[in-house]
Amino acid sequence: EDQVTQSPEALRLQEGESSSLNCSYTVSGLRGLFWYRQDPGKGPEFLFTLYSAGEEKEKERLKATLTKKESFLHITAPKPEDSATYLCAVQGHNNTDKLIFGTGTRLQVFP
Amino acid sequence: ETGVTQSPTHLIKTRGQQVTLRCSSQSGHNTVSWYQQALGQGPQFIFQYYREEENGRGNFPPRFSGLQFPNYSSELNVNALELDDSALYLCASSRGGSGANVLTFGAGSRLTVL
Repeated sequence: EDQVTQSPEALRLQEGESSSLNCSYTVSGLRGLFWYRQDPGKGPEFLFTLYSAGEEKEKERLKATLTKKESFLHITAPKPEDSATYLCAVQGHNNTDKLIFGTGTRLQVFP
Repeated sequence: ETGVTQSPTHLIKTRGQQVTLRCSSQSGHNTVSWYQQALGQGPQFIFQYYREEENGRGNFPPRFSGLQFPNYSSELNVNALELDDSALYLCASSRGGSGANVLTFGAGSRLTVL
């Protein structure tokens, strides 16, 4: 059964304090691994898609990496506006665009 | 490029009632999915529609049903509401087809069942 586990559940960082979020996954044939950001009361906002082990993608202070078993979202010198819940999801090889999500990491960055 | 829009944004129902939620997909997208997100949890896949037909379903009972219209908009219907149906319901659209497809989500409809 396809499964995604994220850790930690919550993370509090001082502004400028870099850290990493983990996403472990099992899927029968990976079509893509996705990172989304979700602000309270809003829908998830797309950040990255990773397709194969060894791939890396960057956007501003965020960098996502992928291995055969897990993905990391590295946050460099975070700012308070980076506070949100970060969701990881996998899309397997089937006839749908179905995403299997983890429960997310709730990040708080304080000044 | 318009995004995904959902209505209503909030609604309150009582147990046993029925609800219909609506979604307009992003322009250029032909596939619509619905997700249920309970408080503090990740979104759970309900079903997906492509070419007006359901082509994938998660572990949800038959009282969860949907429609997709020729303009790719969609409805989610839930009958015989239960307290546990209280959640944020998210609609997402995508291009469909082969390859990893990015889902664009709407802001959601917050359903409270009393």
